[in-house]
Amino acid sequence: ETGVTQSPTHLIKTRGQQVTLRCSSQSGHNTVSWYQQALGQGPQFIFQYYREEENGRGNFPPRFSGLQFPNYSSELNVNALELDDSALYLCASSLGGTNTHYGYTFGSGTRLTVV
Amino acid sequence: QKEVEQNSGPLSVPEGAIASLNCTYSDRVSQSFFWYRQYSGKSPELIMSIYSNGDKEDGRFTAQLNKASQYVSLLIRDSQPSDSATYLCAVKRNSASKIIFGSGTRLSIRP
Repeated sequence: ETGVTQSPTHLIKTRGQQVTLRCSSQSGHNTVSWYQQALGQGPQFIFQYYREEENGRGNFPPRFSGLQFPNYSSELNVNALELDDSALYLCASSLGGTNTHYGYTFGSGTRLTVV
Repeated sequence: QKEVEQNSGPLSVPEGAIASLNCTYSDRVSQSFFWYRQYSGKSPELIMSIYSNGDKEDGRFTAQLNKASQYVSLLIRDSQPSDSATYLCAVKRNSASKIIFGSGTRLSIRP
């Protein structure tokens, strides 16, 4: 059984560009949650996908969007990058959408730097 | 008021002593509570979860929950240098998709 994998591990982009981050969920998990963690802060919830539908969204603008595929892997897309988007982006997979009281297991993250 | 509050630290504890980490939360409907450990430059790792009032022990770690006081704590016994990390407290409603994290407490174990 494989864990949560994210790609790429590091990325440098220019302000105004667009970026796509990828996440492969743990085998058997149908739910993917994305978080943004700025330096010195706790992870902030961006959104969750459950069975290919958005299943909850945090306080992030529409330029943050996502997809979940039939195999439950997921993408996070960020348009019109801003300097403040520089952060560690974390993906977590789980089972059952909102109906779980289990903690999430995170992937190793993607470090995005916007210059 | 932040939804999950933690003292940012750093908390410095001598090796072999007990480290005590505290957290308060604002949402009374929260039902699941977690402690994550995060080493510098790494992703958070789930180390404890607790759902009922009282204590839950797992090896050197004990989580304590008091829902009436909206308070969660983590005790680390026989602290080791490898315990030096940031500890994130997190809470969740069972009906909600998101786990809400605090900003973390930096723990330093001095030899």
